Amino acid sequence: DTEVTQTPKHLVMGMTNKKSLKCEQHMGHRAMYWYKQKAKKPPELMFVYSYEKLSINESVPSRFSPECPNSSLLNLHLHALQPEDSALYLCASSQQLAGVDTGELFFGEGSRLTVL
Amino acid sequence: GENVEQHPSTLSVQEGDSAVIKCTYSDSASNYFPWYKQELGKRPQLIIDIRSNVGEKKDQRIAVTLNKTAKHFSLHITETQPEDSAVYFCAASGAARQLTFGSGTQLTVLP
Repeated sequence: DTEVTQTPKHLVMGMTNKKSLKCEQHMGHRAMYWYKQKAKKPPELMFVYSYEKLSINESVPSRFSPECPNSSLLNLHLHALQPEDSALYLCASSQQLAGVDTGELFFGEGSRLTVL
Repeated sequence: GENVEQHPSTLSVQEGDSAVIKCTYSDSASNYFPWYKQELGKRPQLIIDIRSNVGEKKDQRIAVTLNKTAKHFSLHITETQPEDSAVYFCAASGAARQLTFGSGTQLTVLP
């Protein structure tokens, strides 16, 4: 299995809603990522879980909170979002060799989020 | 941290011509340089990558060159086809082992 699976593919939510995006991989990768991407812009790194340790992009607002239940699953909890948070949210994983990240990212298909 | 600059932002070529996209990076410790192609509404797809111990890599019509001294790398697409039209992103993996992306190039291949 060489896929990173994201659900849902599309999500529409109001500013007072609480929702979650889910990501799963079964490639044995020990690093998983959330990226945010606006149209025709590069992906922006939000969070990294590497060997169960979380690294945060300091510019990401607290209305986004990641959760890593185990090394195969990565969730992104959404609460009180703003319309400007509408974007494509990409999950990715990367392989390590001898404990060192190879850097090669495997992207999921993304979750297209619209905040009304 | 790493900074990656990509040029041009838009590129139009006639079908059958070559296309070249260039990127520069700032972190001399960077050692992994992938290129991603992203079609409208789809995820980025890795099309080719190169590591710092190699100067050039080819895969059919696509090639990447790396100049570590000058800290720049380039994507070359030969015999372009309409299906090559997409946004292309370069990236570099620096000391933090996290990818930093360039700003992207919208390639249009005109029939």
